[in-house]
Amino acid sequence: AQKITQTQPGMFVQEKEAVTLDCTYDTSDPSYGLFWYKQPSSGEMIFLIYQGSYDQQNATEGRYSLNFQKARKSANLVISASQLGDSAMYFCAMREKTSYDKVIFGPGTSLSVIP
Amino acid sequence: DAMVIQNPRYQVTQFGKPVTLSCSQTLNHNVMYWYQQKSSQAPKLLFHYYDKDFNNEADTPDNFQSRRPNTSFCFLDIRSPGLGDAAMYLCATNKKDNEQFFGPGTRLTVL
Repeated sequence: AQKITQTQPGMFVQEKEAVTLDCTYDTSDPSYGLFWYKQPSSGEMIFLIYQGSYDQQNATEGRYSLNFQKARKSANLVISASQLGDSAMYFCAMREKTSYDKVIFGPGTSLSVIP
Repeated sequence: DAMVIQNPRYQVTQFGKPVTLSCSQTLNHNVMYWYQQKSSQAPKLLFHYYDKDFNNEADTPDNFQSRRPNTSFCFLDIRSPGLGDAAMYLCATNKKDNEQFFGPGTRLTVL
């Protein structure tokens, strides 16, 4: 069964606008972590933001924020003021404590920023 | 300073010829992962080590093996590569409760 779902295979956003990339997950582990990674065409995997299941506040890192809705099991990434360099694949990932820190990835969303 | 190093960056092998990919880390992280990533797909977890404890994914083919002789090094052995094993292989590490750090990957070509 798919544990992480990203329903948007591709997204377009105008430069300087905000964009939300969706991620829903499925776990019965009470302790887990959620991550977002960016993978540009160069192939490197770049860590963006982390949310722990027990964190009370939504994580923020510069232009990135994570809209964490625990009851709905969603962890959407919000990118504010999009830049051309934000064009890349974006992966949502989850780590489960009871699985010895196993980390699995969602299918990804391809984001294109339009000038 | 490179923190997760993968060698080689590009590997060409022949169908059925064993190949070993290596990963080393300078972070002293206790967890190391191997992922396979094919074009336009998500990284697929093959296996991971939590310290010396090896955790194999149920759908990882027997053709793929791994060794972790010490904290710093981890190897991926492909015993008999097939054409379908051509992919980018990513190594990652993490310390408890922190994000993963990825190496640059090894792109494997099977002729």
